[in-house]
Amino acid sequence: NAGVTQTPKFRVLKTGQSMTLLCAQDMNHEYMYWYRQDPGMGLRLIHYSVGEGTTAKGEVPDGYNVSRLKKQNFLLGLESAAPSQTSVYFCASRTGTSGGAYNEQFFGPGTRLTVL
Amino acid sequence: GEDVEQSLFLSVREGDSSVINCTYTDSSSTYLYWYKQEPGAGLQLLTYIFSNMDMKQDQRLTVLLNKKDKHLSLRIADTQTGDSAIYFCAERPPGTYKYIFGTGTRLKVLA
Repeated sequence: NAGVTQTPKFRVLKTGQSMTLLCAQDMNHEYMYWYRQDPGMGLRLIHYSVGEGTTAKGEVPDGYNVSRLKKQNFLLGLESAAPSQTSVYFCASRTGTSGGAYNEQFFGPGTRLTVL
Repeated sequence: GEDVEQSLFLSVREGDSSVINCTYTDSSSTYLYWYKQEPGAGLQLLTYIFSNMDMKQDQRLTVLLNKKDKHLSLRIADTQTGDSAIYFCAERPPGTYKYIFGTGTRLKVLA
């Protein structure tokens, strides 16, 4: 049981290049999230998904796109990378149960992205 | 608006108690969480508290919730060097799938 994994761990891009970050979870979780972490700003939600085939915008969605074609995978795409997207990106997942459950989020180890 | 605030840094001596504070804005949040992030790693849930509780204790950890002031604190007793990390508080407003995280408090434990 690997939990939440992220690929790649590190990446350096030039401005204007594109890339896709992959998040995979093996816990059969319904909900998945992409966050970015920047110094002094905590975690900010980029996009999230409440089930296969669904996506929704978070707090800072501009410049990013996502897809959830399979329940276990959540992809984050940067079509034209900008230096402002230099950050550490975290994926998280949780069960879809509600009604009193504390609904722990499980986090991946992160992807450190630098855009030059 | 939605904003969870924490102080950025805290330094304590090994063996002392650490208190990390957080203020949140959505008084209707059902659950409030503390996450720990060790260097180079993702976040791990440390503890949580349900909104109808004032206090929760779990071994060396004590969570205090003051709903009137929208204030949450995490006390770590007998702080060890292994407790050095960034601690995030987070809230989950009802009727939403989203979690709102604070800025994180970097705890440094001095030997």
